Amino acid sequence: DVKVTQSSRYLVKRTGEKVFLECVQDMDHENMFWYRQDPGLGLRLIYFSYDVKMKEKGDIPEGYSVSREKKERFSLILESASTNQTSMYLCASSLPTWGLLTDTQYFGPGTRLTVL
Amino acid sequence: KQEVTQIPAALSVPEGENLVLNCSFTDSAIYNLQWFRQDPGKGLTSLLLIQSSQREQTSGRLNASLDKSSGRSTLYIAASQPGDSATYLCAVRGSRLTFGEGTQLTVNP
Repeated sequence: DVKVTQSSRYLVKRTGEKVFLECVQDMDHENMFWYRQDPGLGLRLIYFSYDVKMKEKGDIPEGYSVSREKKERFSLILESASTNQTSMYLCASSLPTWGLLTDTQYFGPGTRLTVL
Repeated sequence: KQEVTQIPAALSVPEGENLVLNCSFTDSAIYNLQWFRQDPGKGLTSLLLIQSSQREQTSGRLNASLDKSSGRSTLYIAASQPGDSATYLCAVRGSRLTFGEGTQLTVNP
């Protein structure tokens, strides 16, 4: 079974702090994604990565950055946390989409971040 | 820009009832459509994936259909159980995955 793990289930930080959210997958997937989920807005893509050291902006990258130094690990960084970044953050991974019939994304359990 | 809408937003049914969840999308140029389940405070679990060339997929008591030309998909749950209580999300795959906001299902014993 694919396993995607996230470093924390719950996190409370103060405004202005630098926050690291870590995601690790054990299935050698090339693709990794970071989403945030908010009531009334659904899941929105923040950043994604198709390979090591590669990153692409999603729909709402402002205020975030990412790092992918190893294939299995994808980190989301909030350089200076703000209260509007309070949310549920979900990481996902998948195989490459081209040439395959399926590209199911496998999700981690989520990190609920509260910024005070 | 792709938009995905799910109706109803919430649904409460008695155990044993058959039910249908609806998903509509605005851009029919999709590769596939996927249904996910999300339990409270948890991540998403993939239930069914339908390729754009397919009309339906079945897994146990779940059946998902896709009408790409009309921009619609349905998830049919047969003989619902309390353990089916969760939020169900559909997502369409174009240049990226776009999610609906989900239908929160409660199955009462």
